[in-house]
Order: sequence, then C-alpha cells, then structure tokens
Amino acid sequence: DGGITQSPKYLFRKEGQNVTLSCEQNLNHDAMYWYRQDPGQGLRLIYYSQIVNDFQKGDIAEGYSVSREKKESFPLTVTSAQKNPTAFYLCASSIPRGFGNTIYFGEGSWLTVV
Amino acid sequence: QKEVEQDPGPLSVPEGAIVSLNCTYSNSAFQYFMWYRQYSRKGPELLMYTYSSGNKEDGRFTAQVDKSSKYISLFIRDSQPSDSATYLCAMSAISVGSQGNLIFGKGTKLSVKP
Repeated sequence: DGGITQSPKYLFRKEGQNVTLSCEQNLNHDAMYWYRQDPGQGLRLIYYSQIVNDFQKGDIAEGYSVSREKKESFPLTVTSAQKNPTAFYLCASSIPRGFGNTIYFGEGSWLTVV
Repeated sequence: QKEVEQDPGPLSVPEGAIVSLNCTYSNSAFQYFMWYRQYSRKGPELLMYTYSSGNKEDGRFTAQVDKSSKYISLFIRDSQPSDSATYLCAMSAISVGSQGNLIFGKGTKLSVKP
C-alpha cells in the first residue's frame, strides 16, 4: 500500500545523544516535511524539502538536521543542541507543485529524552 | 494576533448531534483550507480540502469557508463515537508544493458520547 512510513514509533534516548528518525514514502511525492507536535502548541514546521538534495529550514530548525539524498527518504536527526527534544514528530509529503495542495502525514514517532 | 485561532475544547456531544468546529484567521492571503482528523497517538489524516470560498460536502462532513469574515467551519452530521478525535484546521496562501508551509490551528478535541 502507498503511504508514509516513520520509524521507530517510540524512541527513548539519553540527554546529549543524537538520534535519527526515519521517514520513507512510496507516494512518488516530490515534497517532504518534518513537523513537531507538542501538547497545546499545534504543529510546527522543522524542515521541508521540495526536491532531492535540497531542503529549507522551517520555523523551528535549530537543533535539527536533515538530508534528502533520495526522493523517497527524508531522515531527521535530533541533535544534542536541541534543548527540549521530547515531542511527537510527524513526517509528511505532498503532491507536486501545480497539482493541488494536499499534504499527507505518517503515523509519527514519539521521542522521549531522559 | 495569532495567524490561526482554534478553540481547543474539549467539546463533548451526544451521539447523533451535529458538531460545528471553527477556525478564524488573520491573513487575508490564505486561499487553501484543510481539515485534518487526528486520533490519539496517530498522525493527522486529511478530511476535507477547499480552495477559496464556498462549501464542500463529503458524506457526513461539510466544510465552509467565509473569506470575508476570515472564518472556516467543519460540520459533522449524525456524529458517531468513532468521530472522537482532535480536529485540526490548516491553511496556506500558496500551493504547499511551492513553498511548503501550512499554518495549523492548535486543534479542537471532540468527544462523542454513545
């Protein structure tokens, strides 16, 4: 089935460690996104990528890094510089420019830093 | 003033009731409007997508956009316990695929009691 796969679903890490969240899509979407969701704060954009080998910072990029080496994959690294990394992380993708405006989400990854 | 305002609820209704969920916004340039449903600990799923003003109906769901009042609504008829979820509104001024930033409301938590 077509969709967006995020892994792992739950992740625990010690403070000071980097952690990488995986996101894979088989929808043939050009654009991919990473959002962070905190209780009472809504969704906030971390990074987005419109094409392979290109990505842009979103509203809260500090302490995060991404890569886009393949169209299907957009991993997010939460670095030790991120001051409050415990959150629900959502990967998303959208259909190509000019064909509409719908964005689709994966099931999310819960990161807890202790 | 925040760009998108959404009452967080919680909103509790009896089964079979008509539910009205709303968002207001301040940016008159917004022209793409979406509603997402998010079950607990899951990624948001797209429910309704509307371009510019007007109404759109899909089964028990109706989305309305009033650009003159900067106000959007989602109506759920004959609500069911399975509709219990958090509903997020989202909007953007340009095509998501062109730049990538949807603005989300914080979500309204809905509970439909049997």
